[in-house]
Amino acid sequence: NAGVTQTPKFQVLKTGQSMTLQCAQDMNHNSMYWYRQDPGMGLRLIYYSASEGTTDKGEVPNGYNVSRLNKREFSLRLESAAPSQTSVYFCASSEILRGHFNYGYTFGSGTRLTVV
Amino acid sequence: AQSVTQLDSHVSVSEGTPVLLRCNYSSSYSPSLFWYVQHPNKGLQLLLKYTSAATLVKGINGFEAEFKKSETSFHLTKPSAHMSDAAEYFCVVSPSFGSARQLTFGSGTQLTVLP
Repeated sequence: NAGVTQTPKFQVLKTGQSMTLQCAQDMNHNSMYWYRQDPGMGLRLIYYSASEGTTDKGEVPNGYNVSRLNKREFSLRLESAAPSQTSVYFCASSEILRGHFNYGYTFGSGTRLTVV
Repeated sequence: AQSVTQLDSHVSVSEGTPVLLRCNYSSSYSPSLFWYVQHPNKGLQLLLKYTSAATLVKGINGFEAEFKKSETSFHLTKPSAHMSDAAEYFCVVSPSFGSARQLTFGSGTQLTVLP
């Protein structure tokens, strides 16, 4: 089925460890995003990529880096994990045509990360 | 600037009764508005969207929402709740034009449906 695929689905890290969350979409969307979801706070944007070759910071970028590998793939890296990064991470993609953001997002099923 | 307030963090209804999830927004420009649903351990699914066409928007699974500019509201309703509607619902606002980084999520409303 067409959509957004995230790996892994679950991960436990020790403080200070690093890891990369992978995301791929097969809808030929230009824009991709990484969000984190914490209880009572909705979703907050970490980084986004408006198009292949560009990335920009969102609301909560500290402690993260991203790579837009190609049009399909957008990865999120935690260089030195901290307990405050325990969260559920969602990747999403969308299409913005001529500046119109009218089509919503397609979300992946999430990565549940625990940092101990 | 823009913001979203979901007025209830939890709503509980009986199966077969109406559902009302309330959302107020603030935006300094003409907004697009969305409702998303998240079932346990799942991603977010788009229920419906308002993009400056008809003010009454119909979505999937019998949900609808009405854009009221004078009240800056975009409440989600359904005439008759089903057990499968139990989930968390997010109201989302964005500008109709411009950068997608300006998407703002509400804090969510947890809907419980009682048998």
